[in-house]
Amino acid sequence: AQSVSQHNHHVILSEAASLELGCNYSYGGTVNLFWYVQYPGQHLQLLLKYFSGDPLVKGIKGFEAEFIKSKFSFNLRKPSVQWSDTAEYFCAVMWSGTYKYIFGTGTRLKVLA
Amino acid sequence: GAVVSQHPSWVICKSGTSVKIECRSLDFQATTMFWYRQFPKQSLMLMATSNEGSKATYEQGVEKDKFLINHASLTLSTLTVTSAHPEDSSFYICSARGGGGHGMEQPQHFGDGTRLSIL
Repeated sequence: AQSVSQHNHHVILSEAASLELGCNYSYGGTVNLFWYVQYPGQHLQLLLKYFSGDPLVKGIKGFEAEFIKSKFSFNLRKPSVQWSDTAEYFCAVMWSGTYKYIFGTGTRLKVLA
Repeated sequence: GAVVSQHPSWVICKSGTSVKIECRSLDFQATTMFWYRQFPKQSLMLMATSNEGSKATYEQGVEKDKFLINHASLTLSTLTVTSAHPEDSSFYICSARGGGGHGMEQPQHFGDGTRLSIL
C-alpha cells in the first residue's frame, strides 16, 4: 500500500540553526510531492510542491526541498530557522492517476528564541 | 488566494445525535472536495473524495452509512456524522481542489478543520 513516512516527530532548534525534515514514500511511479505547514490554530498552508523538472524546489518563507527519486525522498530544508517557523510540517504525496493526497504523520517543530 | 471555509469549527454533542459539517470554497469552484480525519498526534487520513453531482468515493474502512457526504454544488460539500458516538470524536478537515492550475497541478486548499467531541 502507498504510504508516506516522516521520521522526525518532534524537532527543537534554536533560532538561526539549519533545518532538515525527512520525508520518504513507499514506492515508485510518477509522484507529485508537497510540503504543508500548519501554524497553531490555523489551516494547512502549502509551502512548496514538486511536479516535474528541477528536483530542487524553492518555496515560500525560505524553504526548499529536494526530490531524490532513487531514494523515494523529498526532504525539506531551511538554512536558518526563525522563531516564527514554529509549527507542524506535513509531507504529502499524490501518485499519478489519482488526485488523493497521502500524508505523512507530521513533524512538530519548535524554534527557541 | 483561494479560501475554504469550514463550519462549525468546534461542536460538542451527545452520543446518538447527528452532526453536519459544511465545507465551502469561497472564491473558486471546486469540482472535487476531500474529507480527512486527524487523530491526535497522527496524520491526516483521507476518508472520502467528493465530486459535485455524484456519489462520494469512500476509502477502505470508512463506513459510508456513518459518514454521509453530499456535494450539492461546486462550492459546497457537507459531511454528516450520523448517530455519533464517542469514538467518532476527532478533528475533521476538508479540502477543495481548484482555484487555478490544470489537471494534476490543481492545488488543494484546506479548511480550518472541525473539532468534534461526542459526550
